[in-house]
Amino acid sequence: NAGVMQNPRHLVRRRGQEARLRCSPMKGHSHVYWYRQLPEEGLKFMVYLQKENIIDESGMPKERFSAEFPKEGPSILRIQQVVRGDSAAYFCASSPASSTDTQYFGPGTRLTVL
Amino acid sequence: GENVEQHPSTLSVQEGDSAVIKCTYSDSASNYFPWYKQELGKGPQLIIDIRSNVGEKKDQRIAVTLNKTAKHFSLHITETQPEDSAVYFCAASNENSGGSNYKLTFGKGTLLTVNP
Repeated sequence: NAGVMQNPRHLVRRRGQEARLRCSPMKGHSHVYWYRQLPEEGLKFMVYLQKENIIDESGMPKERFSAEFPKEGPSILRIQQVVRGDSAAYFCASSPASSTDTQYFGPGTRLTVL
Repeated sequence: GENVEQHPSTLSVQEGDSAVIKCTYSDSASNYFPWYKQELGKGPQLIIDIRSNVGEKKDQRIAVTLNKTAKHFSLHITETQPEDSAVYFCAASNENSGGSNYKLTFGKGTLLTVNP
């Protein structure tokens, strides 16, 4: 059973461009969570999604950031008009059938904004 | 909201020695405390977790203790090996918080180096 998949693993963007980060949860998992990790910091919760629904986006910046988890395909974290402060590692986690289940993390996407 | 403090930020031990990492939390309603290990270039991997209805949990060389009164919990690794070298994160959440139990609040991490 493959783990949580994220791509790309590394993404370089220039200021003002868009970044799209993809996350495929573990097989059978229907809950997806996105976290951001700044250098030498712990992970910070951004958003929690179930298929076709955003459950909680309280940790996500109000502007430029959006997330989706369509019925088919991976979850997408989209950052528009990136700025240098968006440079970070973005991790996706998934859990089986309940938000109380253990969260399993993917390898992350390291975004660098030039 | 919850705040988790983790100490030390770096820890260096000799192979075979024990390592202890400590975390404190601020929200007395928190009742779920997982520990994650993150190796370079990889995502965090759950190594052990504890819920507030127990004070200690052990899995081979790894143990976690919880003191709810003092609001702190610790990770203990015995007989350390070089492959234990990684960044370790503690986290806390409230599984009874009206559905927002998924919000893990992480400490800033401890870089553990086990010297052969």
